[in-house]
Amino acid sequence: DAGVTQSPTHLIKTRGQQVTLRCSPKSGHDTVSWYQQALGQGPQFIFQYYEEEERQRGNFPDRFSGHQFPNYSSELNVNALLLGDSALYLCASRGRGGRVNTEAFFGQGTRLTVV
Amino acid sequence: AQRVTQPEKLLSVFKGAPVELKCNYSYSGSPELFWYVQYSRQRLQLLLRHISRESIKGFTADLNKGETSFHLKKPFAQEEDSAMYYCALSGYNQGGKLIFGQGTELSVKP
Repeated sequence: DAGVTQSPTHLIKTRGQQVTLRCSPKSGHDTVSWYQQALGQGPQFIFQYYEEEERQRGNFPDRFSGHQFPNYSSELNVNALLLGDSALYLCASRGRGGRVNTEAFFGQGTRLTVV
Repeated sequence: AQRVTQPEKLLSVFKGAPVELKCNYSYSGSPELFWYVQYSRQRLQLLLRHISRESIKGFTADLNKGETSFHLKKPFAQEEDSAMYYCALSGYNQGGKLIFGQGTELSVKP
């Protein structure tokens, strides 16, 4: 099992552009969460997907949107990129509907740089 | 407000010395507390959680609801303990959303 996989690993975009990041959860997991980690900060919760629906959302603008597919993989889309969106984007998966007492497994992240 | 505070950005100790990484939290309700660790060039991974009451790699953490703290302790630090440590919180009705602290870098010198 490769665990949680994210693609791409690095990405450079221009301000105003749109970006899509991808995540494949660990085998057997059905819930995917996305986090933004700015340099020197802890990860910040963006949103969580379960059964192809957004179940919870953190304090992020509507420019951040997502999707979950029937195979449980997920995408994070960011529109109208700002310089402040430059960060490491982490995907985490859980099993059994994302209940708190199941362990979250993290991917290696996608490093997004907006210039 | 829901918040996790790790007051130390960097903690440097010598091998064999005791280690305590501090974590304080603010949460209205029943929180579940975790410690996550990120070794160099590796992904973030769960170290331990308060409901398990277990010791992992010699580390322990006790939830103190009165002081709203969840400090991570190890009696004798090893060089391989050098890593970034994040304290995180989740509520039982939060559907797995994790709130992280800013992290503490632990450096264990030989």
